[in-house]
Amino acid sequence: GDSVTQMEGPVTLSEEAFLTINCTYTATGYPSLFWYVQYPGEGLQLLLKATKADDKGSNKGFEATYRKETTSFHLEKGSVQVSDSAVYFCAVVGGSYIPTFGRGTSLIVHP
Amino acid sequence: GAVVSQHPSWVICKSGTSVKIECRSLDFQATTMFWYRQFPKQSLMLMATSNEGSKATYEQGVEKDKFLINHASLTLSTLTVTSAHPEDSSFYICSARGVAGAPSTDTQYFGPGTRLTVL
Repeated sequence: GDSVTQMEGPVTLSEEAFLTINCTYTATGYPSLFWYVQYPGEGLQLLLKATKADDKGSNKGFEATYRKETTSFHLEKGSVQVSDSAVYFCAVVGGSYIPTFGRGTSLIVHP
Repeated sequence: GAVVSQHPSWVICKSGTSVKIECRSLDFQATTMFWYRQFPKQSLMLMATSNEGSKATYEQGVEKDKFLINHASLTLSTLTVTSAHPEDSSFYICSARGVAGAPSTDTQYFGPGTRLTVL
């Protein structure tokens, strides 16, 4: 089956620092890739997605590029804010349309 | 667009009672809805997949008689935790996937979650 591996957290950064959260996946065919964000006590919100190789998803300053050759979809942001503190989930959706989630990476941003 | 609501947002109940959680897609039709369970500081565990008008498909290890799922319409799915016990306390999250032409069929849109506490 499909699988997703995310870097373990928590990731602790100072405000305005550069963020990278690594995500690699295994899946058959041509899956779609997603990043979701979960703020404390809330459900998941779609942050960005990419549906084919070399696509770049972007939203709210976050970016991730679908790299088929390395089966990766790393999340990046150039300058994080305290309000970005949350848990980030990488997910892959293959032919079954049922997503497989990574374990989540907690991000803590200090002022 | 693509808003999913859950009700209630939190519930406290006594051991042995049943609790029903509703999941609604507010501005699109959802052919498929998913129910997840999330433990503190952990990832989501898929419990079951429900398609409108048919029986839910439960993941291995999930008791279908304990977690009753009904997907009666294209905008509503319900999860009933029957004879709840303290070990059922958790954060339950639903998600919905739309029909073609609505929000893309490969994207899931999540509800805000329901915190269940069983005393």
